[in-house]
Amino acid sequence: AQSVTQLDSQVPVFEEAPVELRCNYSSSVSVYLFWYVQYPNQGLQLLLKYLSGSTLVKGINGFEAEFNKSQTSFHLRKPSVHISDTAEYFCAVTHSNFGNEKLTFGTGTRLTIIP
Amino acid sequence: EAQVTQNPRYLITVTGKKLTVTCSQNMNHEYMSWYRQDPGLGLRQIYYSMNVEVTDKGDVPEGYKVSRKEKRNFPLILESPSPNQTSLYFCASSLGPRLALYNEQFFGPGTRLTVL
Repeated sequence: AQSVTQLDSQVPVFEEAPVELRCNYSSSVSVYLFWYVQYPNQGLQLLLKYLSGSTLVKGINGFEAEFNKSQTSFHLRKPSVHISDTAEYFCAVTHSNFGNEKLTFGTGTRLTIIP
Repeated sequence: EAQVTQNPRYLITVTGKKLTVTCSQNMNHEYMSWYRQDPGLGLRQIYYSMNVEVTDKGDVPEGYKVSRKEKRNFPLILESPSPNQTSLYFCASSLGPRLALYNEQFFGPGTRLTVL
């Protein structure tokens, strides 16, 4: 079975400061990893994903994440945040299971940008 | 515009009164799924469908039913809602079940359900 842990439920950051949102996963097989963003009163939107290859993945809105297999982590980073980045961020994992390749989500991290 | 739509967006009902939340996608996606989102628990899959007339249980199927008679629609049915089904519900779709290969899973805007 696979699982995802997002240790920080809330992260306040000053505008233009860097941010890192942490995600750790556990799985006995190879995984695919995702970060989704949920803006207030909206559905989830894909930020970025790791399938294979380069461990540094770049996504939309200036976000990037690094896959670290030895530490089973997939932390999300942005060098300088903006007010518009205020949202909830979900890390998710999936693996090929001959059919329902469902996403297993973490509990989410609420990012609040302080002006 | 490619999208997943859900109706209603907000619903307050009483225990035991059957309800249906509709979900429709206009992208000709084969794979559709329902999730519920609860504080501190993230999103959990309720049911999924890999194609017309093919549905199966996710992680938390108790108290829910689904049907997939047409490719574009995937309604979620609560035959006898209970207060523990108060939640935020999301419908999602993707081109195929292989999420990693077929790009992303598109999510609807959500339906906030309150069962009194």
